[in-house]
Amino acid sequence: QQPVQSPQAVILREGEDAVINCSSSKALYSVHWYRQKHGEAPVFLMILLKGGEQKGHEKISASFNEKKQQSSLYLTASQLSYSGTYFCGSGNAGGTSYGKLTFGQGTILTVHP
Amino acid sequence: DTGVSQDPRHKITKRGQNVTFRCDPISEHNRLYWYRQTLGQGPEFLTYFQNEAQLEKSRLLSDRFSAERPKGSFSTLEIQRTEQGDSAMYLCASSFSDRGLAGANVLTFGAGSRLTVL
Repeated sequence: QQPVQSPQAVILREGEDAVINCSSSKALYSVHWYRQKHGEAPVFLMILLKGGEQKGHEKISASFNEKKQQSSLYLTASQLSYSGTYFCGSGNAGGTSYGKLTFGQGTILTVHP
Repeated sequence: DTGVSQDPRHKITKRGQNVTFRCDPISEHNRLYWYRQTLGQGPEFLTYFQNEAQLEKSRLLSDRFSAERPKGSFSTLEIQRTEQGDSAMYLCASSFSDRGLAGANVLTFGAGSRLTVL
């Protein structure tokens, strides 16, 4: 089943913060975050593997709450380059589906000057 | 390494025709995935290979779709008797999967092949 992302779209001014949420009705083994700019391939941002884990990449960080089956992506002091569509992908724990990702529907982030 | 390459980037075809897409993954990657993406949606899983073995195929995929990875390197995705509903971006991704290294399975996507069925 597809993870559900919220909000569907966010509009920011440069320097503002945003949070994108990803929740699943199935147990999450891992959560992957990708960003896709218009007409381009999705690009990997980060992966979270353990419950409660937080990771950071410059001013973009994420948390993973395994019990709640949720992950959140935090973008602080947003820059124009952050604009794009953000996808979370849930990873499977085992069997032949190990490593396969199921993506959410995406959150469109637009940063204005 | 130039990343994941896909060819052609754009394909316009008439309904009922067959089309084939090619994907060249990153050379040291042992896994290769095909996803389909329509406007405003996230990538939807189609199938994936570990080396030359096709390990999983989406139940949503009709029999008109077939994929191969004959020598564990490049892969082809063929769609027979195309329908207008097949119009989408077809994304290929590759990864190196090592179950001993948790989290090593990071997907690198190609730029995609956009299919338009008239």
